[in-house]
Amino acid sequence: KQEVTQIPAALSVPEGENLVLNCSFTDSAIYNLQWFRQDPGKGLTSLLLIQSSQREQTSGRLNASLDKSSGRSTLYIAASQPGDSATYLCAIGDSWGKLQFGAGTQVVVTP
Amino acid sequence: DGGITQSPKYLFRKEGQNVTLSCEQNLNHDAMYWYRQDPGQGLRLIYYSQIVNDFQKGDIAEGYSVSREKKESFPLTVTSAQKNPTAFYLCASSKTVDQPQHFGDGTRLSIL
Repeated sequence: KQEVTQIPAALSVPEGENLVLNCSFTDSAIYNLQWFRQDPGKGLTSLLLIQSSQREQTSGRLNASLDKSSGRSTLYIAASQPGDSATYLCAIGDSWGKLQFGAGTQVVVTP
Repeated sequence: DGGITQSPKYLFRKEGQNVTLSCEQNLNHDAMYWYRQDPGQGLRLIYYSQIVNDFQKGDIAEGYSVSREKKESFPLTVTSAQKNPTAFYLCASSKTVDQPQHFGDGTRLSIL
């Protein structure tokens, strides 16, 4: 069974610093990997989706990498802003579209 | 605007009662999903549906039931058999398995 781990569980950085969020998984036979953002009491917002055949995806200040052989993905957020404060979740997708989630990393960006 | 609407936002269940959570989407997506989120934990899949009139159990289907009679709608019933129903329930949809899942704003269910 796929296990998804996100460390650390919480992270606080000053505004302007780059954020590095980690996701590890136990089974390298993945279909895709998605990164989501969740604000308190809200649903999830999709940030980036990386297909199994891809090594990275970029959108604005966000960049996500995927290394299947080592079972790792990293989400980089450049020049963090207070509005980036949220919980970030990674999820491993299979060919049926089912997602296996990590517990998330709660991020606080202080002004 | 296209999106996913979940209702109600808050729901309270009495002992022995079944309750139904609504999920409607106008994104023309084929696949729909129900997840449960407990504090400090990631989301866990309850049920999913790839197409109308078809659905499959996820990892924690016991005590829940669903229907998919229309493409736009995927209601979830929490039955009295679910002994620990207090949680945040999230509905999602996607066009294909290669596309990101879009989420509603959730329903928070509590026990009276």
